[in-house]
Amino acid sequence: DTGVSQNPRHKITKRGQNVTFRCDPISEHNRLYWYRQTLGQGPEFLTYFQNEAQLEKSRLLSDRFSAERPKGSFSTLEIQRTEQGDSAMYLCASSTPPRIYGYTFGSGTRLTVV
Amino acid sequence: QKEVEQNSGPLSVPEGAIASLNCTYSDRGSQSFFWYRQYSGKSPELIMSIYSNGDKEDGRFTAQLNKASQYVSLLIRDSQPSDSATYLCAAQRGFGAGTRLTVKP
Repeated sequence: DTGVSQNPRHKITKRGQNVTFRCDPISEHNRLYWYRQTLGQGPEFLTYFQNEAQLEKSRLLSDRFSAERPKGSFSTLEIQRTEQGDSAMYLCASSTPPRIYGYTFGSGTRLTVV
Repeated sequence: QKEVEQNSGPLSVPEGAIASLNCTYSDRGSQSFFWYRQYSGKSPELIMSIYSNGDKEDGRFTAQLNKASQYVSLLIRDSQPSDSATYLCAAQRGFGAGTRLTVKP
């Protein structure tokens, strides 16, 4: 197992376009999280899955954002009608119960909206 | 009020000194707390977790938790230049903004 994998590593898109990112968690981890991080800030929680169920979604997440984890394995995060304010590093993390084990993060997808 | 507050620093210590990093949290229901290290341009890496009051030691790192004061700290003994990074405190889903540590040779 090579850890949490995220693709693509970098994405440049024009404002108004849709983008989709993929995350492959560690295989035995049933919990998957999406975070967004901007320069000088800590990761900001977006959403959380346990297996295929989306259990929590930040109120900061507008309806332009949607995430899926169809078979409880990989997950996708889609941003529709991107805006310049969406430019950030999008981090995926996975974990296994109990919570005390913390997260393993992927390398992230850096999104630049021009 | 943010879930986790950290002094953003920057914090600079000489090589071999003790670096002390602190954070406070707002949710008294939080049970587990974490310290992550993030090198510039990289993703966060878990270095310590703590869930009981008191100290937890792992090598040069000691995490301290005081639930009554809602306070978590991380001590790094014998600091090395390779410890230079941003340290993120986390509780439940929330992360602090991070404290940037520089260890000078």
